[in-house]
Amino acid sequence: GENVEQHPSTLSVQEGDSAVIKCTYSDSASNYFPWYKQELGKRPQLIIDIRSNVGEKKDQRIAVTLNKTAKHFSLHITETQPEDSAVYFCAAPSKTSYDKVIFGPGTSLSVIP
Amino acid sequence: DTGVSQDPRHKITKRGQNVTFRCDPISEHNRLYWYRQTLGQGPEFLTYFQNEAQLEKSRLLSDRFSAERPKGSFSTLEIQRTEQGDSAMYLCASSTPSGRAAYNEQFFGPGTRLTVL
Repeated sequence: GENVEQHPSTLSVQEGDSAVIKCTYSDSASNYFPWYKQELGKRPQLIIDIRSNVGEKKDQRIAVTLNKTAKHFSLHITETQPEDSAVYFCAAPSKTSYDKVIFGPGTSLSVIP
Repeated sequence: DTGVSQDPRHKITKRGQNVTFRCDPISEHNRLYWYRQTLGQGPEFLTYFQNEAQLEKSRLLSDRFSAERPKGSFSTLEIQRTEQGDSAMYLCASSTPSGRAAYNEQFFGPGTRLTVL
């Protein structure tokens, strides 16, 4: 079956430090790789996405890198703040359906003040 | 509120009962997705629609689950003969149509939390 692996499952950093979350995937049918943030008790919300015609994308303190040859992509958060504490999900395109993504199991990030 | 809405937000039922959930997507969105999320896991794909057409249903989904989107707007997800293992958060998401070269952001609803006793 289709599977997206995500590591680590939990991550604790000091405020101001960087956090890195990594994901790997199998074959994909499209080129769209989104990242979602889910705060406790709330709905997932898109924070950044990347298409496979670029290798890196940055939006303020958040950046995503993609290595399509190796089938892995990463989320980088710099200068972490307590409000960054949440569960982060990567998602990769389904290999069988153009319009579907498969979510990773999530990384619980805690930023310690 | 012009976002995705779901009703009810919480549902407690006894094993064996049928339940139905509703999702209202963002009005101009043609695609609608249903997911199931359990504690410590990411959203698990169940099914999705392009307008009123159901384009794919997860092979993990038993025949007790059915979804409809009769007029291409709101959608319902029904679970028949509920089991304790059905207890989860059921999320709905909608997105704009995608061309061959693009895939668009999914906007999630707040979810319906189902508890089967």
